[in-house]
Amino acid sequence: DGGITQSPKYLFRKEGQNVTLSCEQNLNHDAMYWYRQDPGQGLRLIYYSQIVNDFQKGDIAEGYSVSREKKESFPLTVTSAQKNPTAFYLCASRAGQTTGELFFGEGSRLTVL
Amino acid sequence: GQNIDQPTEMTATEGAIVQINCTYQTSGFNGLFWYQQHAGEAPTFLSYNVLDGLEEKGRFSSFLSRSKGYSYLLLKELQMKDSASYLCAARSGGFKTIFGAGTRLFVKA
Repeated sequence: DGGITQSPKYLFRKEGQNVTLSCEQNLNHDAMYWYRQDPGQGLRLIYYSQIVNDFQKGDIAEGYSVSREKKESFPLTVTSAQKNPTAFYLCASRAGQTTGELFFGEGSRLTVL
Repeated sequence: GQNIDQPTEMTATEGAIVQINCTYQTSGFNGLFWYQQHAGEAPTFLSYNVLDGLEEKGRFSSFLSRSKGYSYLLLKELQMKDSASYLCAARSGGFKTIFGAGTRLFVKA
């Protein structure tokens, strides 16, 4: 079945360590997104990519990095520069031009110890 | 700036109707979405409005007024499984989608 797969589902990291969250989709969508969700704040956009080898910063890109070398993959690296990385991270891809709704992965919950 | 406002929490009774309001201010507005999110899970798409008016889809309906920057999600015949957060989101320009903080709906028996 088509969908978006995020891994790992749960991740623990020590302060000062970089960590990479995986996001793979087989929906043949061009656009992909990373959001962060904190309690009471909804989803905030970190980075998005419209096509391969191109990506743009969202509203809270500081301390994060991404790459888009393949259409199917959009990994997110949470660097040690991110001051408050503990959060629920959601990857999404965008459907066709008609409605443009987002399809989400199941999320990755990162906890910094 | 870009801003989306919706109530933090609402409570309704099983079998009743509930309306969740959303106001938005976004540059390059290009459509309004509603998503449902159960605790600890990913959001799932409910509805999309780009033109003024009401879109009905089963027990759920969504309304948009572009001139007022206003939308609502109407849930009829509430069921216990409808207890979830409902996220209002606006598409800004071609590819960017901005989300509100979400409304937590509690359905009681």
